[in-house]
Amino acid sequence: GENVEQHPSTLSVQEGDSAVIKCTYSDSASNYFPWYKQELGKGPQLIIDIRSNVGEKKDQRIAVTLNKTAKHFSLHITETQPEDSAVYFCAASPAGYKLSFGAGTTVTVRA
Amino acid sequence: DAGVIQSPRHEVTEMGQEVTLRCKPISGHNSLFWYRQTMMRGLELLIYFNNNVPIDDSGMPEDRFSAKMPNASFSTLKIQPSEPRDSAVYFCASSTRTGQGYYGYTFGSGTRLTVV
Repeated sequence: GENVEQHPSTLSVQEGDSAVIKCTYSDSASNYFPWYKQELGKGPQLIIDIRSNVGEKKDQRIAVTLNKTAKHFSLHITETQPEDSAVYFCAASPAGYKLSFGAGTTVTVRA
Repeated sequence: DAGVIQSPRHEVTEMGQEVTLRCKPISGHNSLFWYRQTMMRGLELLIYFNNNVPIDDSGMPEDRFSAKMPNASFSTLKIQPSEPRDSAVYFCASSTRTGQGYYGYTFGSGTRLTVV
């Protein structure tokens, strides 16, 4: 099955700086890569996703890049704000199959 | 849409008691997933259903755990008897499954279970 590794496990950034989280996956058949944000006491919420026919996708301060050859994808958050503090999960799935999640990255934005 | 609805939000029970967690998926979604989240093990997939049929229950820790989906709008996860090591946050998620994959994967707010 698919195995997703996520780094770093914790990330502390100064407000206004950028944050980058990286994930690698093992199954070359994976074609869907979502990112989730989980705030304290809540369930994970989808923030952005990308499919294998696209190399980059951006939504305001959030962007995701995908390198299918190297089997890795990354989440970029620019101009970080205190409300960006949360746990972020990457995930991957082959067509028609369930999502496999990374272990999560705890992001802390320092004011 | 109200999203994925889970109940109860919090459950405290004594060891040995039966616990039932409930989930109402998003209307129109044909797949439902039960996850367990702990600090040590992160998000673990316990079981998932497509069109109310269990597809993969390999993540269910042991026979004390069982899950049902009697119809498209309701699922339960039961633990009998419960043990302190079952303490965790249990999430339900639903999505639409097509031949191309799972879309609209949405989580509920979770049930925090504490077994004392």
